[in-house]
Amino acid sequence: NAGVTQTPKFQVLKTGQSMTLQCAQDMNHNSMYWYRQDPGMGLRLIYYSASEGTTDKGEVPNGYNVSRLNKREFSLRLESAAPSQTSVYFCASSTGAMNTEAFFGQGTRLTVV
Amino acid sequence: RKEVEQDPGPFNVPEGATVAFNCTYSNSASQSFFWYRQDCRKEPKLLMSVYSSGNEDGRFTAQLNRASQYISLLIRDSKLSDSATYLCVVNMNRDDKIIFGKGTRLHILP
Repeated sequence: NAGVTQTPKFQVLKTGQSMTLQCAQDMNHNSMYWYRQDPGMGLRLIYYSASEGTTDKGEVPNGYNVSRLNKREFSLRLESAAPSQTSVYFCASSTGAMNTEAFFGQGTRLTVV
Repeated sequence: RKEVEQDPGPFNVPEGATVAFNCTYSNSASQSFFWYRQDCRKEPKLLMSVYSSGNEDGRFTAQLNRASQYISLLIRDSKLSDSATYLCVVNMNRDDKIIFGKGTRLHILP
């Protein structure tokens, strides 16, 4: 019963490097989300996808791109990593129906040096 | 104005006391509301949904006030294990955008 799986769990990048964070859910959910969490800032929405084939900007989209590859997978890409992108990244999914909760992956701890 | 606002705390409360948190939201079209709990920067987990009529789950009571655009969480007979960060969550539903507040830190003191 995997739920939401994120990879990798930890990553260190050098400034300017690129990488893709992977997220997959096995709950047949329509909606998927990427958040970042910094100390004192709570979770801030980066991008979300209400259905396969659609993506929308959240609160802090600059410096990121996303791909909703299929219903299961939603990836987050950093094209040129910056130290300001050091954070914990959480992927989540939900059915999209009213009053249904979002389920989270365990997070990716990214450090950009 | 941020879409979802909470008092960050910390709230330092003796064991057995009652504690309440409020959260305000800016979008009057918001449809779904939740309280999540987060421990030590692990992933957030649902504590309870918040329904228009208010709802209770054991020692926890959630209320929604649409007219004033706030939701509340009341914890009675607090336990040491209640120490965590409590996140207010609003789903716009129209486009399924889920926004979190910054969270309120709660420390239950022995």
